This record gives sequence, C-alpha cells and structure tokens, in this order.
Amino acid sequence: SQQGEEDPQALSIQEGENATMNCSYKTSINNLQWYRQNSGRGLVHLILIRSNEREKHSGRLRVTLDTSKKSSSLLITASRAADTASYFCATAGRGGADGLTFGKGTHLIIQP
Amino acid sequence: DAGVIQSPRHEVTEMGQEVTLRCKPISGHDYLFWYRQTMMRGLELLIYFNNNVPIDDSGMPEDRFSAKMPNASFSTLKIQPSEPRDSAVYFCASSTRTGRGAQHFGDGTRLSIL
Repeated sequence: SQQGEEDPQALSIQEGENATMNCSYKTSINNLQWYRQNSGRGLVHLILIRSNEREKHSGRLRVTLDTSKKSSSLLITASRAADTASYFCATAGRGGADGLTFGKGTHLIIQP
Repeated sequence: DAGVIQSPRHEVTEMGQEVTLRCKPISGHDYLFWYRQTMMRGLELLIYFNNNVPIDDSGMPEDRFSAKMPNASFSTLKIQPSEPRDSAVYFCASSTRTGRGAQHFGDGTRLSIL
C-alpha cells in the first residue's frame, strides 16, 4: 500500500516561478526522501530529511517536515525548464523492514 | 563510478514466456531492491536483499515471480510464466550501509507482455 500521497498530482508553472509540492504519510517514519524522475529514466535521489529535522536545503531545493501533521513539502525556487519531471516522496519506517514506500508523485511541468 | 545497470531496457514477449530481468548494483552497496512501476499502482517494492540475502519478499505478487542474488554484483528477477498484467517498468536500486538511506536507481526495464 502507498504510504506517501503527493499533492497536487500535476502542476504547471512558468519558468522562474517557485514550485511547491506536498506529501502526506500515515505512519511513524525514520526519514523522508524526495526523488525526481525524468521521462523514461530511473528515480534520482534529491534530498533526505530525518524525523528529528524540520527543514533542509540543497541548492534551489527546500524541504520541510512536520511530523505532528505527518506531512512534508518540497519547494523548488526559480524553476527552470530542466526541472520538468515527476517528483516522489518516499518514507522509511521506524521499525520493521528496511526499504522505502513511495507516493504516486507530482508531475511538474515548467513552461518556458 | 558506474551507476546501477539494468538489462534489457525493453522487453516484449508473449504471455506464457519466461522473462528474466538483470541488475548490476553499484559496487560496494550492501542493499539491492527490486521495484515495479505502473500508472495504476505507482512504485511498489517487490523484494530486497542485504549482502546477497533476500530479506523481505512480501511484495512479490505471486509465485510466478522469483528473484536471486548469486553474488554482490548481480541480481535477477524472473517471471515464469508471464501474463499481460505483469506489463510494467521494473526498477532495480541499490544503497549503501542502510536500507533506509538514499537509493540509486537504474533506468529500468520496460516490460510488455502481449
């Protein structure tokens, strides 16, 4: 079953604007990760935020985590055409098996 | 360093045939994961290995699916016999030291069962 649910399912913005995607999950987590997938390619890891962290930055990416609401957001600032891709959140559980549970993704289109 | 390598990239075959997908993880990575991606169900974890040992195969849909990792640099996912509903993109991913850290994905095998 899917742990993460991304919102929105699709997003289209103009180049230069900021893009925000949200992810909600259901169970306690060890960490939450965001991945990008370009058409026809595998997923690429973007950023990992641990359950005891609230915010993390990497270049033009900003991720927040609210464990009380079981939600995360990914902000891409100053978007570029090359950012066009699908973005997935994935959660790693606290106990039990290793591995990640992925949401169904947000498809982001950057209009030039 | 080379990334995760999967072969073939595309496979088209008729139902009932045996299908074998191959994966070479990144050297030194201790964990290997097999996923299946479809529009309807998204990305599903099928099975994962730690140090070549299968740890959790609860995601394998049926007995028609089997996976092996005979050594640290090679894994296979086999479907026998194949069915049209097995059509999907199959990804292999590897990670180092922990099964809960960043994963490195191959570019997948797009499988079509006619």
